[in-house]
Amino acid sequence: AQSVTQLGSHVSVSEGALVLLRCNYSSSVPPYLFWYVQYPNQGLQLLLKYTTGATLVKGINGFEAEFKKSETSFHLTKPSAHMSDAAEYFCAVEESNFGNEKLTFGTGTRLTIIP
Amino acid sequence: DAGVTQSPTHLIKTRGQHVTLRCSPISGHKSVSWYQQVLGQGPQFIFQYYEKEERGRGNFPDRFSARQFPNYSSELNVNALLLGDSALYLCASSLDGPSEAFFGQGTRLTVV
Repeated sequence: AQSVTQLGSHVSVSEGALVLLRCNYSSSVPPYLFWYVQYPNQGLQLLLKYTTGATLVKGINGFEAEFKKSETSFHLTKPSAHMSDAAEYFCAVEESNFGNEKLTFGTGTRLTIIP
Repeated sequence: DAGVTQSPTHLIKTRGQHVTLRCSPISGHKSVSWYQQVLGQGPQFIFQYYEKEERGRGNFPDRFSARQFPNYSSELNVNALLLGDSALYLCASSLDGPSEAFFGQGTRLTVV
């Protein structure tokens, strides 16, 4: 089974500073990888995804992530944090098994923005 | 176009009771998946349905069941509720598989 590890359950950055949220995965086959954001009392919103092709993926709200196969990583970055970025972020990997496609999520990283 | 809608948004049940949660997918989406998100954790896969057939099941007890209707809406049923079933239950719809999954706002279930 595939798994996802998010390093750092809480990350705090100053407004305007670089955001870096770490995600490592385990997979025996080329994975599909996702980042989702969850605001309080809300569902999940897709930020970006990697399926095939270019390893640097750009998403919404200025976020991007780079798939590094050699490091089995898919870290999320944003050059300049905004107060509205405060939320919970989840990394996920798609696992496809005989037509059963499911997302396996990490435990999440809570991002706090310091004014 | 409406997104994924779930009902109810919140409910409180007593241990041992039964609960039914409902999900309406985005128009045209044939796949519905259910996830359980316990406070402080990432979502855990419960079921996937596609074209009214169960396509996958996560590691949950038989107290959990689901079905999908001809209009692709879905119900998640949980019997004999336990305190540990308290969680946010998320529904996701997609055309086929989670690569383009859209999540609803969730149903917050509290078991007392």
